[in-house]
Amino acid sequence: SQQGEEDPQALSIQEGENATMNCSYKTSINNLQWYRQNSGRGLVHLILIRSNEREKHSGRLRVTLDTSKKSSSLLITASRAADTASYFCATDFVYGGSQGNLIFGKGTKLSVKP
Amino acid sequence: EAQVTQNPRYLITVTGKKLTVTCSQNMNHEYMSWYRQDPGLGLRQIYYSMNVEVTDKGDVPEGYKVSRKEKRNFPLILESPSPNQTSLYFCASKLGWGALHFGNGTRLTVT
Repeated sequence: SQQGEEDPQALSIQEGENATMNCSYKTSINNLQWYRQNSGRGLVHLILIRSNEREKHSGRLRVTLDTSKKSSSLLITASRAADTASYFCATDFVYGGSQGNLIFGKGTKLSVKP
Repeated sequence: EAQVTQNPRYLITVTGKKLTVTCSQNMNHEYMSWYRQDPGLGLRQIYYSMNVEVTDKGDVPEGYKVSRKEKRNFPLILESPSPNQTSLYFCASKLGWGALHFGNGTRLTVT
């Protein structure tokens, strides 16, 4: 399986703290994406970082990508109770052509306590 | 409104009774994919399609069939469902190297 791995599997923090989640993958990618899922609902796209980028920001989200280590991290700053959700990384593998195939990891379950 | 539509949202069936979960997107996306989600296992890919008439197996294709006869539709077929196919299923689509757009999911129970 080419499935990536998130670390940790579960994370519990207090409101206002920062949350960091990591993702490792196995092969060459065009881009890496992070998604959020509230319990049992559909996944929502958060941010996409391309293989030639090292860091990207979106609001309270900061994503880094290290292609030499085949890893990425998602940082949520000043977390809120509403950030409680599962977070997944997905890697868009290079198959050639104009698009790739997205493979998801197992996710990190984040719980932010008020 | 741009969207991926899955039907039905909930389905309870019995072992061996053929069923189809429909998926349709109105964004002219070439890529479509089916995933199943089980506790602790994340999203595992069942089948994907890079374009019309082009389909490939994902990590867990056994017991499933798909077809892509037109760009907008990508149905998932369970010819003879078994209890181990009880799961939450998601259809998704994307354009090029962009983000995936997900349907709302289908919760399937096979008794």
